[in-house]
Parts: sequence; C-alpha cells; structure tokens
Amino acid sequence: DAEITQSPRHKITETGRQVTLACHQTWNHNNMFWYRQDLGHGLRLIHYSYGVQDTNKGEVSDGYSVSRSNTEDLPLTLESAASSQTSVYFCASSESRVSAGELFFGEGSRLTVL
Amino acid sequence: GENVEQHPSTLSVQEGDSAVIKCTYSDSASNYFPWYKQELGKGPQLIIDIRSNVGEKKDQRIAVTLNKTAKHFSLHITETQPEDSAVYFCAASKRDSSYKLIFGSGTRLLVRP
Repeated sequence: DAEITQSPRHKITETGRQVTLACHQTWNHNNMFWYRQDLGHGLRLIHYSYGVQDTNKGEVSDGYSVSRSNTEDLPLTLESAASSQTSVYFCASSESRVSAGELFFGEGSRLTVL
Repeated sequence: GENVEQHPSTLSVQEGDSAVIKCTYSDSASNYFPWYKQELGKGPQLIIDIRSNVGEKKDQRIAVTLNKTAKHFSLHITETQPEDSAVYFCAASKRDSSYKLIFGSGTRLLVRP
C-alpha cells in the first residue's frame, strides 16, 4: 500500500545543531507540506511544495528550509535548532492539482531542542 | 491571510449524546472546509469535507454545515461512542495558486462511557 513515512519519529538535539527530518511518500503526489503542531496553535504550515524544484514558505517558515529534488521526498532542515522549535512535526501530501483536496499525513516526528 | 478560529478547545460528552464543534474563517474567498480527526500518537486523518457550493453534508453519524454569509462551519457528531474520543481540527482553503490548508487550533473531544 502507498504510504507516507517520517523519520526519525523522536529526536533530542541541542541548541544550535542542524537537524533534518525526513519525509517520504509513495503515492506519487505532487504536493507535499510540513506542519508543526503545538498546544493551543493547532497545525501551522512551515513550508510546502507543488512539485520538483518548487518550494514555498508557509506561515511559520523562519529557521526552516526544505528542498524538493524528487517527487517522493521533502526533507525539512532546521539550520540552527532553537528551543522554540521543540514541537511535533507532521509531513503531508496531496494529489489534487486543481483544487484543495485530502491531505495524507505521516505519523509525526517529535523534536526536543535542549 | 486566512485565519480559522475553532471552539471549544475541549468538549466532554456522555456516550450517546451529540457533540458540536464550531469554526469561523476570515477570508470570504475560502471555498473548501475539511475536518480532520487525530487519534493519540497518530497523524490527522480526513473524516469529512464540504465545499462552498453545498450547505450541508452527512456521512453516517457525522455531518458538517456551512454558513457562507456568516463565514462559519460546524461539525456534528451524533450518537457519540468512546472511539470518537480524539482531537478534531477544522481547516479552510481557497482555490487559487496556493490552495494550502489553514487549520484551527483543535478540539479535544472526550466521550465518557
């Protein structure tokens, strides 16, 4: 079955370190998204991509970057981790090119920055 | 940009009772309104959605209503069961070049047996 997987599922790092969270989907979806989930804020969009070589900033993109070199993967990089980036991160993908449609989420990556 | 507000943040109901979660949105151009359910330790999963050309949609025990004039939409769960206990998110987006979803802050629903 097609799926979307995130790794690592849990990570503890130190302030100032570079961290990369991986996201891989096997649906061949063009659209991929990264959200962070924090209590009281719901899901906030960090970055998104509508296809290979396309990346866009979301509402909370400062301190994060993404790259899209193929259809299947959208890694999220924290260049210099900060305690404010402690959160649960969700990757998602969707098929629709014409209009908004169902997002398929991974199971999340819990990041703790000490 | 779009802003979505969701209420209540927590909701506790007795098994068999109904539950209602409400959301308001700010951008009148929004035309797609999904609801996601997130179980503990899992990613959110779509349970129902509605587009702006429809006022109500039902799927078994769940229904969503949309009032475009007032810019609010609601999720209704009837005959609640313990397995309905989860966090529910509403979201909104519009059909343009950036049809990304903007989510509400979530409602934690507890169904007491």
